[in-house]
Amino acid sequence: EAGVAQSPRYKIIEKRQSVAFWCNPISGHATLYWYQQILGQGPKLLIQFQNNGVVDDSQLPKDRFSAERLKGVDSTLKIQPAKLEDSAVYLCASSLGGGGYGYTFGSGTRLTVV
Amino acid sequence: KNEVEQSPQNLTAQEGEFITINCSYSVGISALHWLQQHPGGGIVSLFMLSSGKKKHGRLIATINIQEKHSSLHITASHPRDSAVYICAVRSGYGGATNKLIFGTGTLLAVQP
Repeated sequence: EAGVAQSPRYKIIEKRQSVAFWCNPISGHATLYWYQQILGQGPKLLIQFQNNGVVDDSQLPKDRFSAERLKGVDSTLKIQPAKLEDSAVYLCASSLGGGGYGYTFGSGTRLTVV
Repeated sequence: KNEVEQSPQNLTAQEGEFITINCSYSVGISALHWLQQHPGGGIVSLFMLSSGKKKHGRLIATINIQEKHSSLHITASHPRDSAVYICAVRSGYGGATNKLIFGTGTLLAVQP
């Protein structure tokens, strides 16, 4: 089966610019997650969708980060405006349901803010 | 104190050695994942466990729910096993809102 697709793989932007990441989960996976992984740390959950509804966005910095999954399939994560501390790998993952079955990560987008 | 602790943080082994990475957690869980992350960011799910033991090729994962402890073993290690190995637990007892809580990872380097 095809994996979780993410684009772009790499992005370099200046601080205060905007950036958007895209994720296409595995077909049929109802749950989609966006994680932020800062170098040397484990991934931190930013937002979890169940179909097109938000289940958990408690750690999403909502003043600058936004995410949507309008049709319950692919998703975009946006940062506007970016700060230096947003430099990280942004990982998308999907699973069949909330129980964790079929949990699959994408390759991630490495963001560098200069 | 982190809810998920891994040890060791760094591990260097010679090719062919038997490797063990440990994970301890302090929360109630519905499942535990072992993940492999190669340089560049991509993460691969190796195992998902809720009890007992699983084996896939040279990899073996065990979990002791009572002791809140899991181990990942690699037999006959090879340089291509070099990666970061991450333990992650799913808190609670299932359902859509349960989060994955990640350990900080174990950096494994297998030398030829």
